[in-house]
Amino acid sequence: DIVMTQSPDSLAVSLGERATINCKSSQSVLYSSDNKHYLAWYQQKPGQPPKLLIYWASTRESGVPDRFSGSGSGTDFTLTISSLQAEDVAVYFCQQYSTTPRTFGQGTKVEIK
Amino acid sequence: QVQLQQSGPGLVKPSQTLSLTCAISGDSVSSNSAAWNWIRQSPSRGLEWLGRTYYRSTWYKDYAVSVKSRITINPDTSKNQFSLQLNSVTPEDSAVYYCARTTPISDLDYWGQGTLVTVSS
Repeated sequence: DIVMTQSPDSLAVSLGERATINCKSSQSVLYSSDNKHYLAWYQQKPGQPPKLLIYWASTRESGVPDRFSGSGSGTDFTLTISSLQAEDVAVYFCQQYSTTPRTFGQGTKVEIK
Repeated sequence: QVQLQQSGPGLVKPSQTLSLTCAISGDSVSSNSAAWNWIRQSPSRGLEWLGRTYYRSTWYKDYAVSVKSRITINPDTSKNQFSLQLNSVTPEDSAVYYCARTTPISDLDYWGQGTLVTVSS
């Protein structure tokens, strides 16, 4: 199975400042048939299921604010919140779907400083 | 708009069978582009994908190795839903269980509301 490792486990950012979360996969999640990275990012608030933010490493899901962006390639990926808002307080997960089983990172908790 | 509505008991005794159902609206369990998944989440194991079923001219099922000997995911085309059965449960199977849809375009894009299942006598 592909192991997904996120860093940091938690971070506190001031309102309006940038938040950056890293995700590393134990092997490449590049799908050779279409040259896309099968890496997704989710946001989870307490008592709710995860919500898809980003897929194919950098494509925003419909309705997701443009302050959320994804980048990276190979085995190293980043989720950036360009200007943190109060409603962004949540746990964020990365997940690979290049191979079965799908596997998730352990999560990064984002709080307001 | 796709909606997934979960149902099933929140308390299961050890050694018994955990059974949950996910009713689909806004899509079809027989869709040729979607897959229907079960995922669980616990403090000790994090988010864990359990398995999926999907239809591509015939029915397919994939299961996580960790539960492969105990799990069954079945589609029910008459009710447009799919189910999870996990046999011989132990307290380690206590978790919030989610159903979710995947498509070739994006991944787990729609989720059920979650069901907290506790395994206890």
